[in-house]
Amino acid sequence: DQQVKQNSPSLSVQEGRISILNCDYTNSMFDYFLWYKKYPAEGPTFLISISSIKDKNEDGRFTVFLNKSAKHLSLHIVPSQPGDSAVYFCAAQNFGNEKLTFGTGTRLTIIP
Amino acid sequence: GAVVSQHPSRVICKSGTSVKIECRSLDFQATTMFWYRQFPKKSLMLMATSNEGSKATYEQGVEKDKFLINHASLTLSTLTVTSAHPEDSSFYICSASSGSGTDTQYFGPGTRLTVL
Repeated sequence: DQQVKQNSPSLSVQEGRISILNCDYTNSMFDYFLWYKKYPAEGPTFLISISSIKDKNEDGRFTVFLNKSAKHLSLHIVPSQPGDSAVYFCAAQNFGNEKLTFGTGTRLTIIP
Repeated sequence: GAVVSQHPSRVICKSGTSVKIECRSLDFQATTMFWYRQFPKKSLMLMATSNEGSKATYEQGVEKDKFLINHASLTLSTLTVTSAHPEDSSFYICSASSGSGTDTQYFGPGTRLTVL
């Protein structure tokens, strides 16, 4: 059973516009969420995270929103740049447990 | 949905011993499996890519004689850390893909290795 889901396998966005990547989870025990960015032949790189006590966390062009009631989080990238083209994974954790549960990824393509 | 398991979830061993970590795809055939090591700041370093029935492809800087990877079947890959040392202590994660050219990867829950 996939506890963390990214239902869009791919997304194309015009350069300069906003990219919105979505992630849903089913396990209400998750209380910490992370986004990773992955280029081909490399490991995922940590981007941004959010604790369940918050509903928004911002870091430069990246903002993560968490809607606990809907068990939904999203990553906003604005403005989108060509270097943002990559596969993005969301992941979730229970507090005190380092086990990461990953989504299946969304390939973001930024169109110049 | 696709599930990937890892066993064991935690292992503590003495320096000089070897440890085997299993990665299994439970409900799909994984033609490709990946092994990652997690470092501080949470990023995952890709160690190697293995395709069923062929030798693993190791990333630069990863010692293939130290980290033995076997992908014996379409549902099982193993990582053996040979002659483990304290610096090998880390969190190891595998992922599996059902086909080449796909971005969809299913991640295992990870294995915490502690070498004393």
